[in-house]
Amino acid sequence: SQTIHQWPATLVQPVGSPLSLECTVEGTSNPNLYWYRQAAGRGLQLLFYSVGIGQISSEVPQNLSASRPQDRQFILSSKKLLLSDSGFYLCAWSATAAVTDTQYFGPGTRLTVL
Amino acid sequence: QKEVEQDPGPLSVPEGAIVSLNCTYSNSAFQYFMWYRQYSRKGPELLMYTYSSGNKEDGRFTAQVDKSSKYISLFIRDSQPSDSATYLCATMNAGNMLTFGGGTRLMVKP
Repeated sequence: SQTIHQWPATLVQPVGSPLSLECTVEGTSNPNLYWYRQAAGRGLQLLFYSVGIGQISSEVPQNLSASRPQDRQFILSSKKLLLSDSGFYLCAWSATAAVTDTQYFGPGTRLTVL
Repeated sequence: QKEVEQDPGPLSVPEGAIVSLNCTYSNSAFQYFMWYRQYSRKGPELLMYTYSSGNKEDGRFTAQVDKSSKYISLFIRDSQPSDSATYLCATMNAGNMLTFGGGTRLMVKP
């Protein structure tokens, strides 16, 4: 069966520090991968998605970036964190981009920028 | 105007009550509609999805879409304390990307 992992589970970082969040998927090949952010009391906002190694599409311009160095690894990064980057970051995967292929979410990383 | 809107709640009901959760959306091109359940500090999990207008039932859950009024509903019968969570509606656009509502927090009290 497929599983999706995210780490760390929680993170507290000062403003201006770098960020690296990692997501890995097991039990499937060539998944579509997604990064979402969920701010307090708000819905999920799609940040990036990837349909293959090295292929990244950005939905929202910001100081975050994403990379996919391996088929089942998706990394969210920032060179300098802002207060507004605080939130709950969720990685998700789907078999394809078709609507009938469910997006499965990881457990999330709660980021607090102070 | 947000593409998908939900009342944030919280909605508090007694155990056994029928719960009605609702969303409105603005883009008439949306064809697929989903409901996700998210427990506190966890990732969302898909409950149901429906295509176009109509009803879909799965156990105690019924999803309803009215495309004429751009209105999406999720009904929960015989609600249980374990149903306490945030419920997110979502639609899928032409690019197969999900757009989520802000979520409604539901509390079912024993």
